[in-house]
Amino acid sequence: EAGVVQSPRYKIIEKKQPVAFWCNPISGHNTLYWYLQNLGQGPELLIRYENEEAVDDSQLPKDRFSAERLKGVDSTLKIQPAELGDSAVYLCASSPGGTGWETQYFGPGTRLLVL
Amino acid sequence: SQQGEEDPQALSIQEGENATMNCSYKTSINNLQWYRQNSGRGLVHLILIRSNEREKHSGRLRVTLDTSKKSSSLLITASRAADTASYFCATDGRGSTLGRLYFGRGTQLTVWP
Repeated sequence: EAGVVQSPRYKIIEKKQPVAFWCNPISGHNTLYWYLQNLGQGPELLIRYENEEAVDDSQLPKDRFSAERLKGVDSTLKIQPAELGDSAVYLCASSPGGTGWETQYFGPGTRLLVL
Repeated sequence: SQQGEEDPQALSIQEGENATMNCSYKTSINNLQWYRQNSGRGLVHLILIRSNEREKHSGRLRVTLDTSKKSSSLLITASRAADTASYFCATDGRGSTLGRLYFGRGTQLTVWP
C-alpha cells in the first residue's frame, strides 16, 4: 500500500511570502496529523484531524498558520506570512480508526527554508 | 512538559554490538512508542508498549517499560550499519489530548561497519 505522500519535498521562500504544504494520507486512514520538527528536536503536533474535523489545534499558531482537510482525505497546511523562525520540517502523519489507531504513519516531510 | 526525554543524545557503536537507549517521561501514560527516523526522512513506527506491559520484543528490538520510574529502554541487538538513525520515544496524551503524541529530542545512533 502507498504511504503518506507529501509535497513539495523542499521549499525555499523569502520571509513574508505565503507557502502551502500538501498531504495525502494512507487510504482509509481517518486521522491526519501535521507536525513541526525543528533541527535536533522531535516532532511537535500542530493540528490533528478526525475525518474533516480539526479536533486538536491548540498548538497551531492561528495568526499565521491555517489548515484544511476537505472531504476528509487530503490536507493542506498554509503559512501566511512566513517568518524566518518557520524554517523547519513539516511532517504529515495518518493513523487508522479501530485497532492500531495509536500507531502513526509518517510522510517524508517538507523541508522549508525561509530567507 | 509531557515530553519524553531520550538518553544519551548520541551513541556511536560498532556493527554487531548492542545499542541501548533510554527514555524518561513525566506524566502517566496509556502507552509508549518508539520511532526511528533516517536522515531526511519521516518517522517509522518500531514498537508500542502498553502501560500494563513490562517488556516487548520485535525482531532485534527489545523494549522495557517501568511505569513506577516513568522510564523505558530500547535495546537493539547485533546492530547493523543500516540501524544508523535517530530514535524517538513518544508518549500519548490523555483526556483532551488523547491521540496526541509527545516526542522527545531523540537519540542519534551511529553504527560503524
